[in-house]
Amino acid sequence: GQNIDQPTEMTATEGAIVQINCTYQTSGFNGLFWYQQHAGEAPTFLSYNVLDGLEEKGRFSSFLSRSKGYSYLLLKELQMKDSASYLCAGNTDKLIFGTGTRLQVFP
Amino acid sequence: EPEVTQTPSHQVTQMGQEVILRCVPISNHLYFYWYRQILGQKVEFLVSFYNNEISEKSEIFDDQFSVERPDGSNFTLKIRSTKLEDSAMYFCASGGTSGNQETQYFGPGTRLLVL
Repeated sequence: GQNIDQPTEMTATEGAIVQINCTYQTSGFNGLFWYQQHAGEAPTFLSYNVLDGLEEKGRFSSFLSRSKGYSYLLLKELQMKDSASYLCAGNTDKLIFGTGTRLQVFP
Repeated sequence: EPEVTQTPSHQVTQMGQEVILRCVPISNHLYFYWYRQILGQKVEFLVSFYNNEISEKSEIFDDQFSVERPDGSNFTLKIRSTKLEDSAMYFCASGGTSGNQETQYFGPGTRLLVL
């Protein structure tokens, strides 16, 4: 079966660091994506992990452990504009999305 | 920076009517997709398209749905006889410039409302 789990909601303070976790059980897994989605808008690409380890891209980093079926997205130096939903998606030649984690950043 | 475009941005239709949602993928991409997102729910895969044919489709993509690439640029999703439960945001995505599908880039979506 295909299953992606992530927390429904998180809150954090401007300037802080937040880690959004994702666990998955998918067959035919090629890698794991993270997308950002503001309300009413399209998902926008943040990162794609194929191999185990940490990928850093500016304020955002993503980690993957294939053996544990686990990933996280790390957001540093949070800004108000980072308030959005963060979608974890397993790549099995199509994307299997989780329900998304709605992050609210407070001043 | 090239991007996926979709038209219309909003579509309101009566139940039982046919709708066609249009997409222009990024020009050098080879893989095309349709996803939908019912309000408040997760993004769901509908269909993938490669080399002028459907490569995979989900259970949602029944006989009422069809896709077409009528020319070198457009990629369309047709719903033959819309139902109330088809109301959703429909996203087109494209990706892959070689044999690898790689990252999928999403268009802005078409919000479909079936009355």
